[in-house]
Order: sequence, then structure tokens, then C-alpha cells
Amino acid sequence: AQKITQTQPGMFVQEKEAVTLDCTYDTSDPSYGLFWYKQPSSGEMIFLIYQGSYDQQNATEGRYSLNFQKARKSANLVISASQLGDSAMYFCAMREANKFYFGSGTKLNVKP
Amino acid sequence: KAGVTQTPRYLIKTRGQQVTLSCSPISGHRSVSWYQQTPGQGLQFLFEYFSETQRNKGNFPGRFSGRQFSNSRSEMNVSTLELGDSALYLCASSPLLTATRDTQYFGPGTRLTVL
Repeated sequence: AQKITQTQPGMFVQEKEAVTLDCTYDTSDPSYGLFWYKQPSSGEMIFLIYQGSYDQQNATEGRYSLNFQKARKSANLVISASQLGDSAMYFCAMREANKFYFGSGTKLNVKP
Repeated sequence: KAGVTQTPRYLIKTRGQQVTLSCSPISGHRSVSWYQQTPGQGLQFLFEYFSETQRNKGNFPGRFSGRQFSNSRSEMNVSTLELGDSALYLCASSPLLTATRDTQYFGPGTRLTVL
């Protein structure tokens, strides 16, 4: 079974609007971490936000927030007020024990 | 702190040759992981080193190998290159990769083209 599933290969959003990128995960370990990364066309993976499995509140980092629904095993990334520079690939990842698992990514295009 | 650095950034090789890629982690980070990224296969885990020991390994043939030095710098080697090895190779470092909050920080990658 896939550890991380991102069901949206590509998405479009209008500049200044909010967008939600979906991520579901699969683990039986009670302790895990969830991460989102952004990969612009330059190739470098940029860490955006982290959510721990025991964290009670959803993580936020500037315009990024993580909608963590533990029972549903989902960790969706919400980007508020999209900017043209947000156009990139976005990867959801999970750290379980000492291993990292990545999803297949979602390509986000922000339209002016 | 300086970020993760990878050298070289771009590389062109021919089939049958071998190649060595280098990664310098963030100062103080002891875990280094390598990933291969291709348009068709996405991001695939190669291996992870911690304190000079390979701790995890992905499903890649033995042509792919790596090592880590006492200063945590890591190298990966690909022998007998094949066309399918053309990819972006990403290195990531983290402090320990055992704590819940340990985040992997990535370098800019080495783009390998095999002709």
C-alpha cells in the first residue's frame, strides 16, 4: 500500500485565491511526522511546514497551513492568497520511525 | 547556517561510464539521504547514511552505492551508467532522522544526463 497518496496530479488556482492540496497517508505507528515541500522548476525541494502526529493544533507557517485530520489520515496543505511564485510541484511526505516517504506530487499553476 | 550543497550541479556522461556525486550536509546534521527523481518515477529513495553507516536502502541495483565520511559529507556512486539513470539526484540532510520533528533539508540537486 502507498504510504503517501496525492490524488491531484495538477491544479490551477487564480492569483490571490486560496487553494487546498490533498494528501492522505497510511501508517499504524502512533508517532509520525507529516511534511510538505515545494519544488520550483529549479529543482530544489523547499521545506514548507510540519505537523506532528501528537500535535493538537493545525500547523501554520505564514500563508501555509496544514489541515490535519488524524482520524481520516489526511494532511492537506492550504495556501492562502496564492501568488504567481507559488507555481511549483508540491510534495507531501511522512516520517515514520527513521524513514521518509514521499507522495507523487501535485503541480500547482497560479493564473494571473 | 549554510544549506545542503551538492556538487556538481550538472553532469553529462555516456553509457558505461561511472559517476560520483557529492553532498555536504548542513553543519551538525548527521543523517544524509539520497533520492533519484525522474519525470516517470517521481521521487525514489536510494539510501540513507547515519554516522558513516548505511541505515536504510531503497530498491536500486547494486550499481548504486554510497558512503558517508566522518565529517558527515556523503558521496554516491553509480557505475556502468545506463540511459535510464538520467535524473535529478537530490541529497537531503537532517539532524538525526529519529526524532518526530526531524526535517529533511534538501540540496539543489545534481542533474545527471546519460548519453
